[in-house]
Amino acid sequence: EAGVTQFPSHSVIEKGQTVTLRCDPISGHDNLYWYRRVMGKEIKFLLHFVKESKQDESGMPNNRFLAERTGGTYSTLKVQPAELEDSGVYFCASSQVALRGWDNEQFFGPGTRLTVL
Amino acid sequence: AQSVSQHNHHVILSEAASLELGCNYSYGGTVNLFWYVQYPGQHLQLLLKYFSGDPLVKGIKGFEAEFIKSKFSFNLRKPSVQWSDTAEYFCAVNSAVFGGATNKLIFGTGTLLAVQP
Repeated sequence: EAGVTQFPSHSVIEKGQTVTLRCDPISGHDNLYWYRRVMGKEIKFLLHFVKESKQDESGMPNNRFLAERTGGTYSTLKVQPAELEDSGVYFCASSQVALRGWDNEQFFGPGTRLTVL
Repeated sequence: AQSVSQHNHHVILSEAASLELGCNYSYGGTVNLFWYVQYPGQHLQLLLKYFSGDPLVKGIKGFEAEFIKSKFSFNLRKPSVQWSDTAEYFCAVNSAVFGGATNKLIFGTGTLLAVQP
């Protein structure tokens, strides 16, 4: 079974440019999460999709970040325009709908390392 | 608000030494608890998890963790570490809510473990 995949693995852009990150969850996983880790800090939640709907976007830093999940499959996270403080590793995770305790496990992708110069 | 504290930021051990990494969380309701590990160059992997039942949880690679509800703790242990355990370890918690509600993970800041041969 394929795991969660993310593209690109690294991205280096200049301040003011736009970057789009992509996440492909495990097939059949309705839940998709985005997290971010800024260097030296904890991994922080950004938002949660259930299928194509945004369930919780309380962690999105500001309106420069736009996440979509058209069709309930893969998701994109666009940063426009990028700022220096957006640098970090962006993780995507997916899980089944948690109807029971043991469904409540999130599987993580390898992350996208974003560097804004 | 939920939070997770990992008290050890950097730990250096010699092979065969015993390991205990502290994790405390703050949340008043029922929680699910996780330890994730990120080996160098690899993505986050689940080490072990606690949903309910026996508070002593056994995970992969000889790791175990004990949930002590009265202390809001979920410390990670391994009796004898190996060089291959060199990695970053993350404690995480989410609320035990099911059926589509957000189950975002709240992470600690991570502990870097270096095992010297």
